[in-house]
Amino acid sequence: EIVLTQSPGTLSLSPGERATLSCRASQSVSSSYLAWYQQKPGQAPRLLIYGASSRATGIPDRFSGSGSGTDFTLTISRLEPEDFAVYYCQQYGSSRGKTFGQGTKVEIK
Amino acid sequence: EVQLVQSGAEVKKPGESLKISCKGSGYIFTNYWIGWVRQMPGKGLEWMGIIYPGDSDTRYSPSFQGQVTISADKSISTAYLQWSSLKASDTAMYYCARSFIAAAAMDVWGQGTTVTVSS
Repeated sequence: EIVLTQSPGTLSLSPGERATLSCRASQSVSSSYLAWYQQKPGQAPRLLIYGASSRATGIPDRFSGSGSGTDFTLTISRLEPEDFAVYYCQQYGSSRGKTFGQGTKVEIK
Repeated sequence: EVQLVQSGAEVKKPGESLKISCKGSGYIFTNYWIGWVRQMPGKGLEWMGIIYPGDSDTRYSPSFQGQVTISADKSISTAYLQWSSLKASDTAMYYCARSFIAAAAMDVWGQGTTVTVSS
């Protein structure tokens, strides 16, 4: 099973600042089958990024994803008030399970 | 509008059985996989398994194999997650979500079903 480790656990930033979230895999993620999701309290997760760098429908361009192999990054260029949430990465290429990272909470400083 | 609508909250006792549902609408149900994701209170997301309603091809996470059963009834565009004997540790929010192929991100999510198991 591929283990995903996200860092940091919590990111304290102010609106307008840049957020950089990391997701590291225990083995290479095939064909960049890596997604990022946003979850706000009391809500279901929402797909932000798939294929490591493609934005899902309706996702603002301040969200961007990059990386390949074992190291992936989600960047939020300028934090808006509605971006404070928990973010999860997920690999979905393995036939033995489509594991999630443990999450990074982006909180208001 | 593409939607996945899940059944309502459940409160059960240990040892009881349970089947929760996820109904798709606004798209061709048999063209997409439906996956299930667990979120225990205050914790992260855990991928449980996935089913292709077109032919009922089902795959489980090793962590959940044998613990739950995933099924689907394509005639009513509904997928299911069931337990034969609940434990207190099954207390969680359960989400269904669709993906276009097995190796694809989950682009539409249900609203979640809360399952509480307590004596």
